[in-house]
Amino acid sequence: QKEVEQDPGPLSVPEGAIVSLNCTYSNSAFQYFMWYRQYSRKGPELLMYTYSSGNKEDGRFTAQVDKSSKYISLFIRDSQPSDSATYLCAMIKGANNLFFGTGTRLTVIP
Amino acid sequence: DADVTQTPRNRITKTGKRIMLECSQTKGHDRMYWYRQDPGLGLQLIYYSFDVKDINKGEISDGYSVSRQAQAKFSLSLESAIPNQTALYFCATSDRAGTSGDTQYFGPGTRLTVL
Repeated sequence: QKEVEQDPGPLSVPEGAIVSLNCTYSNSAFQYFMWYRQYSRKGPELLMYTYSSGNKEDGRFTAQVDKSSKYISLFIRDSQPSDSATYLCAMIKGANNLFFGTGTRLTVIP
Repeated sequence: DADVTQTPRNRITKTGKRIMLECSQTKGHDRMYWYRQDPGLGLQLIYYSFDVKDINKGEISDGYSVSRQAQAKFSLSLESAIPNQTALYFCATSDRAGTSGDTQYFGPGTRLTVL
């Protein structure tokens, strides 16, 4: 079993929809949680990171962490075609071990 | 100019050949990483280096070696390439860890095909 599980999708939504992306993890040692966005033929870029349980907002994006359930989410409000990308969750345990989910490919249809 | 660059961007080679992928960064970061990305498997860590004298194996280091020539340069070598090393390879850098997390910055990737 992988330490970080993420539904690969693909996920297609109409423009303006609310998107929910999720990951689960099995090891309570994970302390820092991140979401990366990867456009086609590009490297991943950091979108958001958080440490504690709860919500963190940045514009149209909200990252949510529930450590008791070992579950993290990324919500995208008012989704735009430019949000079409693969979204990877990532989390850190120990000194510097970053573990990635497999990524969810999102398409926002105009 | 990009902060993290990788060369080559694409490479096709044959089984048994030695291949070197290079990564350079202008971010001034101490930490550098090599990942491979395969469909359905996500990103897997191959090697990482916290400074010029430090090299550490990641999840999938077998068949790979690295060299940290300078703070800004980190090379990945495949001594004898095999077809299942066909993948997208990413270099990343970071400058902090611990209580504030560790933001990694990725290069554009190298697409390697081993025939």
